[in-house]
This record gives sequence, structure tokens and C-alpha cells, in this order.
Amino acid sequence: GAGVSQSPSNKVTEKGKDVELRCDPISGHTALYWYRQSLGQGLEFLIYFQGNSAPDKSGLPSDRFSAERTGGSVSTLTIQRTQQEDSAVYLCASSLGGVDADTQYFGPGTRLTVL
Amino acid sequence: SQQGEEDPQALSIQEGENATMNCSYKTSINNLQWYRQNSGRGLVHLILIRSNEREKHSGRLRVTLDTSKKSSSLLITASRAADTASYFCATPWWGSTLTFGKGTMLLVSP
Repeated sequence: GAGVSQSPSNKVTEKGKDVELRCDPISGHTALYWYRQSLGQGLEFLIYFQGNSAPDKSGLPSDRFSAERTGGSVSTLTIQRTQQEDSAVYLCASSLGGVDADTQYFGPGTRLTVL
Repeated sequence: SQQGEEDPQALSIQEGENATMNCSYKTSINNLQWYRQNSGRGLVHLILIRSNEREKHSGRLRVTLDTSKKSSSLLITASRAADTASYFCATPWWGSTLTFGKGTMLLVSP
């Protein structure tokens, strides 16, 4: 079936504007993750959704960042009042979920550039 | 918080040679995963090795895990130019989340 999709693939915005990034996980995957990757760096965990449980927001860098997952499927990551340091590739992943960390399937990412 | 750390940071080899990348981690784990990333976009899962396994093979990939040393290695045999990518190890963090290292950049020259 289809893999994880993300939109837009690229987003250029001006400092201070709000942006929304979308993630469509693999059908049937109960777990969804958002990561951020700055140039030449590893992945920074942002937020994790598992089924209907309250999301793990421990990785969100500031209160300008928020995410929701509607109907246990599509997720939207919102960054308010963007700053230049928010420029990065935002990656979404989904997995079957469960007790142990299992294989995550990644989308192609959204490259965000804040001018 | 970052758990895994890859070594070396960068590796440059010729086609046909073998490439070995290492990963060290800090706390006890129940599995360790390796991922590949091309051109700074989505990651692709390569292999998962569980804590009760010492070695695992998948095609030209060989992964080892030494839980006593808290380390893992990824060996790519008979490398190809298409293997050029960044390789990350990932270990479980809280619940089902993973923590990734900064990766090893592999360059395979024709």
C-alpha cells in the first residue's frame, strides 16, 4: 500500500508567519511521530501519538509548536510565529505501535525555510 | 535526549570495498535499528536486531550487537555507489519512541 506522505514538500515562509505541515500515515498504523532534522544533524524527536492516548509532547521545543492528530489518522504540525531557527526538515513517521519500539516508516519530509 | 552515537562521522570508500559503521549507546535496550537516509529526506529502515541476537544478516548488510559493550556495528559488503547515504542507528527511548544518533555519512566512489 501507500507509504507515509507529507505535504508540502517544501515551504518557504517569512519570519513571524504561522505554518502548517501535514502528515498522512500508513493506513492501520496507530503510532505517529514527528521529528526535526537541522542541516547535518541527527533527528530531534518532537511529538508522538499512540492511538487515542494523550500525545507525548516532551520533545516540542517551545509553545509555538503544536500538533494534532484527527481521527487517529492524519496529523498536522503547526508552528506559530516562525523563527529562522525553525528552518529544518520536518519528518513524520508511523508504525504499527505497541509496547516495544518497532520499525518506523518515514515520509519524505517537509523542508521548511524561514526567511 | 540522544542515546546512540555513530562512528565514524564520515566514511569514504571505493566501490567493491566493505564499509563498517559503529554505534554506541548508553542504556539497556531491547532492540536496535539501523536506518539509511538519502539526500537529507526520509529515512528507510534497514534492519532491526533484538537484544537476544548477536548477529543478523539482510542481503549485503550484516549487523552485530554486543549488549555487554553497548555497541552495534553495520557492515555493508561489496559496496556500490548507490549505497552513498547517511546511516543512523536508533534505540528505544520512551515507550515506542526511538532516539537517533547523528549518523555516519558514507560516500562510495565509482
